[in-house]
Amino acid sequence: AQSVAQPEDQVNVAEGNPLTVKCTYSVSGNPYLFWYVQYPNRGLQFLLKYITGDNLVKGSYGFEAEFNKSQTSFHLKKPSALVSDSALYFCAVSPSGGYQKVTFGIGTKLQVIP
Amino acid sequence: GAGVSQSPRYKVAKRGQDVALRCDPISGHVSLFWYQQALGQGPEFLTYFQNEAQLDKSGLPSDRFFAERPEGSVSTLKIQRTQQEDSAVYLCASSLANRGANEKLFFGSGTQLSVL
Repeated sequence: AQSVAQPEDQVNVAEGNPLTVKCTYSVSGNPYLFWYVQYPNRGLQFLLKYITGDNLVKGSYGFEAEFNKSQTSFHLKKPSALVSDSALYFCAVSPSGGYQKVTFGIGTKLQVIP
Repeated sequence: GAGVSQSPRYKVAKRGQDVALRCDPISGHVSLFWYQQALGQGPEFLTYFQNEAQLDKSGLPSDRFFAERPEGSVSTLKIQRTQQEDSAVYLCASSLANRGANEKLFFGSGTQLSVL
């Protein structure tokens, strides 16, 4: 069965500093990988996805993520954090090929400190 | 509408009551998903529709849960004889393509169900 691990419940970072939110996954075959963000009282919003190709994926709001097959990781990064980036971030995975349901991690709360 | 719309936003039910949760996906979106998000957890898959066909209901936790999308647009998630463990936020998501969850998902704001 596929799974996602987000090892940090919360990540604190100072405004202007780089941020990393960690994600590792387990899936049969090649993965499709996603990051979503959830702001308070709002639904999840898509940030970026990895399907194939370049290991570095760029997404919305200046976020990017690096796919590392050997480490089965898909860490989310941003060079310079903003206070408005404070939210709950979810990593998700599905197997490649046709319809496959997406499995989400439990989420990591990002707190950007002014 | 501009996004995925879910109603009601909040629902309080007494244990044993039946509830119905509605999802209006983005117009033209083929795929529709229901997820359950317990407090402090990530979304857990419940079921998937491609147009009106329910292709995957493997995540429905019991036969008290039932979902339908009769005309391939609006979907309803029904929970019969609600139990306290059903308390959660129920999220609906839709996507444009018929390749299902490999496409970007658009989520509604969810229905927060509290069973007393």
